[in-house]
Amino acid sequence: DAGVIQSPRHEVTEMGQEVTLRCKPISGHNSLFWYRQTMMRGLELLIYFNNNVPIDDSGMPEDRFSAKMPNASFSTLKIQPSEPRDSAVYFCASSLGGVADTQYFGPGTRLTVL
Amino acid sequence: EDKVVQSPLSLVVHEGDTVTLNCSYEVTNFRSLLWYKQEKKAPTFLFMLTSSGIEKKSGRLSSILDKKELFSILNITATQTGDSAVYLCAVITQGGSEKLVFGKGTKLTVNP
Repeated sequence: DAGVIQSPRHEVTEMGQEVTLRCKPISGHNSLFWYRQTMMRGLELLIYFNNNVPIDDSGMPEDRFSAKMPNASFSTLKIQPSEPRDSAVYFCASSLGGVADTQYFGPGTRLTVL
Repeated sequence: EDKVVQSPLSLVVHEGDTVTLNCSYEVTNFRSLLWYKQEKKAPTFLFMLTSSGIEKKSGRLSSILDKKELFSILNITATQTGDSAVYLCAVITQGGSEKLVFGKGTKLTVNP
């Protein structure tokens, strides 16, 4: 199995631009998670999906952030418009069943907003 | 507000030393506690602990949970340079919707 796949691995953009991060979970996994990691705040859960349905988006920082999961093998996290404080590493993870199951993390997308 | 606190924030040891990493938590409706190891990239799963007093062990790593005192420890014996990483502790809460709350991690550096 290829594991969780994320793209791009690095993204550098200017303030105000739209950013789209992509994730392909491990095949057969029913849950998908988006995290953000910064030095200041550590690793934070932004949103998670179960069977393609958003279950908890309370970690999404504000309306500029949105996430979709149109099918079991693909999810996007979009930031529009981006701001410098959004600079972070964004991880996607998947598990067989929910928060309580072992989560397997993707390699992350390092986002820099200038 | 749910909170997970790890200590120390960073630790430098020599190969062969034994280290103990700490994780304390204050959450409503505790379900499980997890330990992850994060090297340069993504966190990788180490242990999941749900019951008090039962040690989980994997090679030189072991972990135990105390639900009465609300903490867990991760022990690494005979450390190697390859153990250098950030070790993350996370707590799963249960209730209306389960949440996963991470601590900020302990950065372990093992020098040869």
